[in-house]
Amino acid sequence: AQSVTQPDIHITVSEGASLELRCNYSYGATPYLFWYVQSPGQGLQLLLKYFSGDTLVQGIKGFEAEFKRSQSSFNLRKPSVHWSDAAEYFCAVGTNNNDMRFGAGTRLTVKP
Amino acid sequence: GAGVSQSPSNKVTEKGKDVELRCDPISGHTALYWYRQSLGQGLEFLIYFQGNSAPDKSGLPSDRFSAERTGGSVSTLTIQRTQQEDSAVYLCASSLRDWKWSSYNEQFFGPGTRLTVL
Repeated sequence: AQSVTQPDIHITVSEGASLELRCNYSYGATPYLFWYVQSPGQGLQLLLKYFSGDTLVQGIKGFEAEFKRSQSSFNLRKPSVHWSDAAEYFCAVGTNNNDMRFGAGTRLTVKP
Repeated sequence: GAGVSQSPSNKVTEKGKDVELRCDPISGHTALYWYRQSLGQGLEFLIYFQGNSAPDKSGLPSDRFSAERTGGSVSTLTIQRTQQEDSAVYLCASSLRDWKWSSYNEQFFGPGTRLTVL
């Protein structure tokens, strides 16, 4: 069955520091991959997606992610974190059954 | 324009009672999804509606869960005889059409309904 693993439950970084959130997936076919962000009291917002083509995808708010098929990974990165980036981040893999499988999420705390 | 709205925002109920959760998708969106987000867990797919097609109910955890979508717009998720393990945030999302088509249409999520079963 398809699955997504986000190994880090909680990450704390200092404002201005770089960020990498890890995501590993398990899926037999070419995956559709997504990163969503959920701010407190807000709905999920799509940051970026990968369907095909260039394995480095750019998203909103200065985020990017790289699809590495050999590692079954789709890690999210940002070169300089802002306090407003504090939120819960979810990685998801799209399947051919009209559903998405989400990871458990990584909570990001940003220190001043 | 308005985004996806859900009501109520919070619902506290007693074990064994039935509850109804409502989702108003973005106007014109033909696809509608329900997910469940439990504490410390990822989002769990429940059910998917696309236009007039039969819904994909493959994610519903038991026959106590059902959903309908009236007139291709508003959707109601019903949980009968609620159990404590049903406590979670229930999220609704809508998109223009089936997301997995080659021209991807983003799913827009509502703020969710937090259900607490005592």
